[in-house]
Amino acid sequence: EPEVTQTPSHQVTQMGQEVILRCVPISNHLYFYWYRQILGQKVEFLVSFYNNEISEKSEIFDDQFSVERPDGSNFTLKIRSTKLEDSAMYFCASSALRAEDEQYFGPGTRLTVT
Amino acid sequence: SQQGEEDPQALSIQEGENATMNCSYKTSINNLQWYRQNSGRGLVHLILIRSNEREKHSGRLRVTLDTSKKSSSLLITASRAADTASYFCATAWSGGGADGLTFGKGTHLIIQP
Repeated sequence: EPEVTQTPSHQVTQMGQEVILRCVPISNHLYFYWYRQILGQKVEFLVSFYNNEISEKSEIFDDQFSVERPDGSNFTLKIRSTKLEDSAMYFCASSALRAEDEQYFGPGTRLTVT
Repeated sequence: SQQGEEDPQALSIQEGENATMNCSYKTSINNLQWYRQNSGRGLVHLILIRSNEREKHSGRLRVTLDTSKKSSSLLITASRAADTASYFCATAWSGGGADGLTFGKGTHLIIQP
């Protein structure tokens, strides 16, 4: 069964460093998303992406965040200058034809900022 | 802003019993989705119910949606130890262009053997 994959599974970085989290959405899906979950808290929406541009972004998704689909398969989240409070689990998700379809999530990347 | 809130926050039952979790939200929605998350792991999609549907079944899962009360329930029948996990409802706003899901805090379900 097709699934969303994410790499790395765990990333440790120092405050102020740039990180890139990678995702491979399900191949025939058109909508892509990033969410984060700080330990013990809710899953929070960051950004959605469709047709090679951002469709919607939350207040969390400020100028230090960016997303890119550099080729036909990968979808990346870049955090330009990490802060301690960026430590969280980051989930990528994709949905098929419409934003209203089921969103399928990857296993997540645990980001630890020290 | 809309917000899905599940109750109870924690539920412990014996294996074989049925588990019911509830979710409330605040704004109009396109759909409501239920997810399962095992400790420290990813989110597994369980079922989606659209705003024009009232009930949906998938295996041992039964979901209801009452848009007049802005609430949904997830019933897991004949529970198994493997059902132990956190369960989240997530809503997709109907306002147009806002396609990110809003998650609740979740219900932590423990199935005792």
